[in-house]
Amino acid sequence: DAMVIQNPRYQVTQFGKPVTLSCSQTLNHNVMYWYQQKSSQAPKLLFHYYDKDFNNEADTPDNFQSRRPNTSFCFLDIRSPGLGDAAMYLCATSGIWGDRGGETQYFGPGTRLLVL
Amino acid sequence: QKEVEQNSGPLSVPEGAIASLNCTYSDRVSQSFFWYRQYSGKSPELIMSIYSNGDKEDGRFTAQLNKASQYVSLLIRDSQPSDSATYLCAVNGGNYGQNFVFGPGTRLSVLP
Repeated sequence: DAMVIQNPRYQVTQFGKPVTLSCSQTLNHNVMYWYQQKSSQAPKLLFHYYDKDFNNEADTPDNFQSRRPNTSFCFLDIRSPGLGDAAMYLCATSGIWGDRGGETQYFGPGTRLLVL
Repeated sequence: QKEVEQNSGPLSVPEGAIASLNCTYSDRVSQSFFWYRQYSGKSPELIMSIYSNGDKEDGRFTAQLNKASQYVSLLIRDSQPSDSATYLCAVNGGNYGQNFVFGPGTRLSVLP
């Protein structure tokens, strides 16, 4: 059973055309993360939500925004994609540290974004 | 700045051999440690987590942690071609995972 689901799996957009990637989870986890991963690089955290509290990484460009309307769903909006934004976008979730292992992050399958 | 370092590889081992993957981290207050496997074009998949000094075994995988040396390793026994992937070390210092830091990954190639 899929626990972290991302749609679409592949997304092609045009330079400057807004795009939204979606993530949903069936784990009822408090925390949802968005990562950007480029070829042969480690995942780079863009931001995360702890419940409804949004936490942006200092070096995340303003071009990237996120929404979390409820516990299950989280969206990544790229307002004006540039060629440098082509990457795999990974959604992950985790519980809370109160439970041993609660901070373990579980990843969705990712969305590969291509910018033309 | 918190850093996690790994040898980028590729690390090549023959089928049936032991593969040894190493990771060092800079943040002494790190509390939990993870190994993820990532196949090309796929997302990271959790292999092992370890919290205490010593060894933790799960099937063919053994994670080793030495907090004094700020070192964590992953041993894969009886390596199979299907183990060929990039292995990411991740270190968490936060109380809910908000401070996950990933290493650059080591690419493992198991030769038939």
